[in-house]
Amino acid sequence: GQNIDQPTEMTATEGAIVQINCTYQTSGFNGLFWYQQHAGEAPTFLSYNVLDGLEEKGRFSSFLSRSKGYSYLLLKELQMKDSASYLCAVRGGSYIPTFGRGTSLIVHP
Amino acid sequence: DTGVSQDPRHKITKRGQNVTFRCDPISEHNRLYWYRQTLGQGPEFLTYFQNEAQLEKSRLLSDRFSAERPKGSFSTLEIQRTEQGDSAMYLCASSLDRGGMPQHFGDGTRLSIL
Repeated sequence: GQNIDQPTEMTATEGAIVQINCTYQTSGFNGLFWYQQHAGEAPTFLSYNVLDGLEEKGRFSSFLSRSKGYSYLLLKELQMKDSASYLCAVRGGSYIPTFGRGTSLIVHP
Repeated sequence: DTGVSQDPRHKITKRGQNVTFRCDPISEHNRLYWYRQTLGQGPEFLTYFQNEAQLEKSRLLSDRFSAERPKGSFSTLEIQRTEQGDSAMYLCASSLDRGGMPQHFGDGTRLSIL
């Protein structure tokens, strides 16, 4: 089975940097995804990591350590529109992504 | 650019009725997934197709749930004898059959059981 853990909620200030952590336990590992989901909308893809290290994409970066079962999503220069739920999803041995419960990020002025 | 589409967007029905949802994936995607999502939770896996073959079903999926993808294109998810606990957002996603390819989600069907 798989177990994925993320903080339930985080708050941050506009313009700041925030790091959302994800820890996982899985039988087999075939990649980790981060998705953004605004209230009432579908999840949208942000990033993918399969090897250890940092992947940078504009204001968003994602890091993976397979030996520690750990990933984080780093959001820089926060904007109000970044207020959303951030979902960590791990693809285990079955190649089917399993999602964590998501981290609700609130960005305030 | 057509994404994943789901129909209907909302469904309200009485307990005990049957409901069917439809998902049209991105045309070149051969993988199709159904998830269920409740408030404050992440998407929970229900079932997965590769082309027309249903390759995996969640152990949480009761026998009241059935899914088909008859020609490897659109898919339907049917819930028979609906119960209050079935109230949720039902999400469909599709992806290419290559490592690292992300899932593209539809906007979901919100089911409310009265």
